[in-house]
Amino acid sequence: GNSVTQMEGPVTLSEEAFLTINCTYTATGYPSLFWYVQYPGEGLQLLLKATKADDKGSNKGFEATYRKETTSFHLEKGSVQVSDSAVYFCALSDLEGAQKLVFGQGTRLTINP
Amino acid sequence: DAGITQSPRHKVTETGTPVTLRCHQTENHRYMYWYRQDPGHGLRLIHYSYGVKDTDKGEVSDGYSVSRSKTEDFLLTLESATSSQTSVYFCATGQLNTEAFFGQGTRLTVV
Repeated sequence: GNSVTQMEGPVTLSEEAFLTINCTYTATGYPSLFWYVQYPGEGLQLLLKATKADDKGSNKGFEATYRKETTSFHLEKGSVQVSDSAVYFCALSDLEGAQKLVFGQGTRLTINP
Repeated sequence: DAGITQSPRHKVTETGTPVTLRCHQTENHRYMYWYRQDPGHGLRLIHYSYGVKDTDKGEVSDGYSVSRSKTEDFLLTLESATSSQTSVYFCATGQLNTEAFFGQGTRLTVV
């Protein structure tokens, strides 16, 4: 079945550092790929998405490129801020109509000033 | 926000009791989902609905049932709560080709 694997956390960085959170997937066909972010005490919010190979999703300085050849969708940001501290989830959509999401285990990111 | 309200936000219940969680949406989205969030597992799909009275099982449906009698409401019932069902439960809604919008979650503790 479909699955998503994220790098283990927690990840702790200093402000203005470069961020990479690795995500790889296993899926039949060509799923859509997503990064969701969860701030403390809140639900998940869509951060960015890509729907086909070589697409780049971007939002709030974060980027991720859909790499079919390596089945990856790594999240990157060039200069993180304290406000980026959150839990990040990589996910793919099950394409059987209902857009059911399969999530990775989540990566907790803490940015220190 | 997609206008998703989950109730209650927190609940403590005893083993063996039935529990119902409610998700209410104001966006007229066709699809609604219930996920549970557990450390090390991310979110896992319990059940979902693709229309009024149309529901199907997800990855971790054992011990749970759902009902959708109106477009705006999707109920999740734990028929006889167990400690393994202690979790944070999230409702989500969406349309066929849109992102999923999540509620703020319900923290359920089964003692």
